[in-house]
Amino acid sequence: AQTVTQSQPEMSVQEAETVTLSCTYDTSESNYYLFWYKQPPSRQMILVIRQEAYKQQNATENRFSVNFQKAAKSFSLKISDSQLGDTAMYFCAFENTNAGKSTFGDGTTLTVKP
Amino acid sequence: DTAVSQTPKYLVTQMGNDKSIKCEQNLGHDTMYWYKQDSKKFLKIMFSYNNKELIINETVPNRFSPKSPDKAHLNLHINSLELGDSAVYFCASSQKRTGDTEAFFGQGTRLTVV
Repeated sequence: AQTVTQSQPEMSVQEAETVTLSCTYDTSESNYYLFWYKQPPSRQMILVIRQEAYKQQNATENRFSVNFQKAAKSFSLKISDSQLGDTAMYFCAFENTNAGKSTFGDGTTLTVKP
Repeated sequence: DTAVSQTPKYLVTQMGNDKSIKCEQNLGHDTMYWYKQDSKKFLKIMFSYNNKELIINETVPNRFSPKSPDKAHLNLHINSLELGDSAVYFCASSQKRTGDTEAFFGQGTRLTVV
């Protein structure tokens, strides 16, 4: 079974600074997807970024980028130029291409301070 | 247009009652899910349907019964509600066939059993 670990239950960052959220996972599979989802206080779950395991290049989406280390099974999320609207709970998720479901980490609550 | 919509958004009911939560997606996706997010914000999959067929059924009490009348709908019926069923329930969908595996989530249904 796959497991996803987010070791930081809570983090905070000053507005405009950079923060990195950590995520590690455990799997014996070689083909899979990794995701970061954001859940703001509005409760809506929103996809932030995705990474295919077969791609060596780290995914980026504007101020969001990942550091994907396949050998280390690590998938951290970097948020640059943090904004107040980035305050949310962030979930790391893993999906085996054959499993048909995503396994989520326990989440990291990020607070951006003005 | 809302991509994945759930109704109701809030549901307060007494123990022992039977209730349903409806979910519809207009994205043309072939796979739909139900997730449960408990009071600690942990997100766990409950069910997954692909083209109206149940493909994932995690360890969930049989008081929970999903129903998929067509590809665009996945409803969740809960019998004999218990206090521990209080949680936020998320419906989601994705398109497995093309490999776009990220899930699009509904806005969640906050169920409170009193």
